[in-house]
Amino acid sequence: RKEVEQDPGPFNVPEGATVAFNCTYSNSASQSFFWYRQDCRKEPKLLMSVYSSGNEDGRFTAQLNRASQYISLLIRDSKLSDSATYLCVVLLNDMRFGAGTRLTVKP
Amino acid sequence: EPEVTQTPSHQVTQMGQEVILRCVPISNHLYFYWYRQILGQKVEFLVSFYNNEISEKSEIFDDQFSVERPDGSNFTLKIRSTKLEDSAMYFCASSESLAGGYEQYFGPGTRLTVT
Repeated sequence: RKEVEQDPGPFNVPEGATVAFNCTYSNSASQSFFWYRQDCRKEPKLLMSVYSSGNEDGRFTAQLNRASQYISLLIRDSKLSDSATYLCVVLLNDMRFGAGTRLTVKP
Repeated sequence: EPEVTQTPSHQVTQMGQEVILRCVPISNHLYFYWYRQILGQKVEFLVSFYNNEISEKSEIFDDQFSVERPDGSNFTLKIRSTKLEDSAMYFCASSESLAGGYEQYFGPGTRLTVT
């Protein structure tokens, strides 16, 4: 089983759509959880940390289920600028990255 | 907004040569990291550095690699005797703390091409 596994994608959605990404992690000792976004040939940029209670930042909502070792990201009212690859990241002793899910938002 | 900077943006080198990739972390950050991303693949952790010593390193970070903080601002990754498979994007990152919840901020990367 991969350390961090994400939806394979790609997701192609119209503007205004709601889209959800899922991620599972294999090590129950993982300490912290993040979503990063990465544009083509650019660096990963922190989107949000993920807390056990769930957290929201504008159109973005992240959820964590430690029992199921599952993390999710919900994007509401998607914009063209949301087009990117979304990386699920888990901190153990070091940061473990998922392979990413590519999102394309179309007009 | 403070940011991590990296130089050069692109480095081309011949197989067997040594390269030094440079990073200036965010000034009040204490933890520094190097990652690599081979084209089309996931981001992979190489090494973390704190208080002038390596905290963690991955199996990728073998004797070919070394890191250094030569002064109060720079953080470098040296690759000795580069191989073709070292061609990748190398990202530097920094964080205030290693503890859970402290996010890492990435620099724009150095694209290393080994020919």
